[in-house]
Amino acid sequence: AQRVTQPEKLLSVFKGAPVELKCNYSYSGSPELFWYVQYSRQRLQLLLRHISRESIKGFTADLNKGETSFHLKKPFAQEEDSAMYYCALSGSGSRLTFGEGTQLTVNP
Amino acid sequence: DTGVSQDPRHKITKRGQNVTFRCDPISEHNRLYWYRQTLGQGPEFLTYFQNEAQLEKSRLLSDRFSAERPKGSFSTLEIQRTEQGDSAMYLCASSRQGGSYGYTFGSGTRLTVV
Repeated sequence: AQRVTQPEKLLSVFKGAPVELKCNYSYSGSPELFWYVQYSRQRLQLLLRHISRESIKGFTADLNKGETSFHLKKPFAQEEDSAMYYCALSGSGSRLTFGEGTQLTVNP
Repeated sequence: DTGVSQDPRHKITKRGQNVTFRCDPISEHNRLYWYRQTLGQGPEFLTYFQNEAQLEKSRLLSDRFSAERPKGSFSTLEIQRTEQGDSAMYLCASSRQGGSYGYTFGSGTRLTVV
């Protein structure tokens, strides 16, 4: 079975502060991990994939297989980062399993 | 190509009625997925197609739910004898073969059963 846990439903930070959105997963094989973002009144969209090791909009995420985590980080949060963030795992087959999401609010 | 399209955007129906939703994926994507999302939850997998073949169905997909992708292009999701618990956002997504690319999602169809 595959499972994704995002322990924080809500996260609030001030502009310019570092932000970390936590994601833990459970999967017995080699997973592929993703972060998706949903801005207000927009569709769910892919933010980044662990396999590409990229930085998108200043966000990075490192897969830690020992801790089974894939936390999303940004050193200096911006107000436009306010959105719902979902961590997702692809294990057996190609279907994605999503976490419950974290609503990030960046205050001015 | 404007991405993944879903129709209708909103549907209000009376309990017991049948509803059908349509999804048009990105043309070069051969995989198509249906998810359901309720308030405060992440998207939950329902089913997916590779071309016209339905390869996996979730236990969430009761006998009242059926999905088709007859020519490997658009897909329909039908819910028969709707119940209030079916009220949710129904999301469609498509991808190239292989999960590494991630999905492209549509805007969803919001179903309200009254």
